[in-house]
Amino acid sequence: DTAVSQTPKYLVTQMGNDKSIKCEQNLGHDTMYWYKQDSKKFLKIMFSYNNKELIINETVPNRFSPKSPDKAHLNLHINSLELGDSAVYFCASSQVGAGEQFFGPGTRLTVL
Amino acid sequence: DAKTTQPPSMDCAEGRAANLPCNHSTISGNEYVYWYRQIHSQGPQYIIHGLKNNETNEMASLIITEDRKSSTLILPHATLRDTAVYYCIVSHRGRDDKIIFGKGTRLHILP
Repeated sequence: DTAVSQTPKYLVTQMGNDKSIKCEQNLGHDTMYWYKQDSKKFLKIMFSYNNKELIINETVPNRFSPKSPDKAHLNLHINSLELGDSAVYFCASSQVGAGEQFFGPGTRLTVL
Repeated sequence: DAKTTQPPSMDCAEGRAANLPCNHSTISGNEYVYWYRQIHSQGPQYIIHGLKNNETNEMASLIITEDRKSSTLILPHATLRDTAVYYCIVSHRGRDDKIIFGKGTRLHILP
């Protein structure tokens, strides 16, 4: 059983397009996260949600909008994609207050 | 910025114990030490964490010095599948807290 799943695994798109990445966890966790890993392999947190409430919002362009319809899902919508958005995006989940986060397999986004 | 310092890379022979050091000299009293690893092209994987006592689970052991300024992750019998980047992270456990990944240690297991 997949604990944290993301779709799609690969996403290739043109500059200026709008795209979404979906994340689901079946661990019963109440906190979910989005991370970005760039070409230099630095992994940086973007957002976290606890019970559908935005908790952490790092310095991320407002073209990025996370949406949490319920505590098992955290989707990432990106407007007006730019070349610099090319990266691998990871979703993760944990119980609140726990540093033990469980990561999804990642979505490799390529903006042409 | 990450609050830990790790060597950029290490080698270990297959079957031997891999000992990965981490310095966290500015750790505060209620911050935990976490270890994660990232195998090529996969999502990071949680390994182990501790506050001040040594910890062991099915994957690894974590040794934290008495002053808590450094720690060592031990993989007792390294295999080729343990080749990965290992991240040492210090963090609180509150709702608003986040884990910050540094550059980690790239561990190569040699056949």
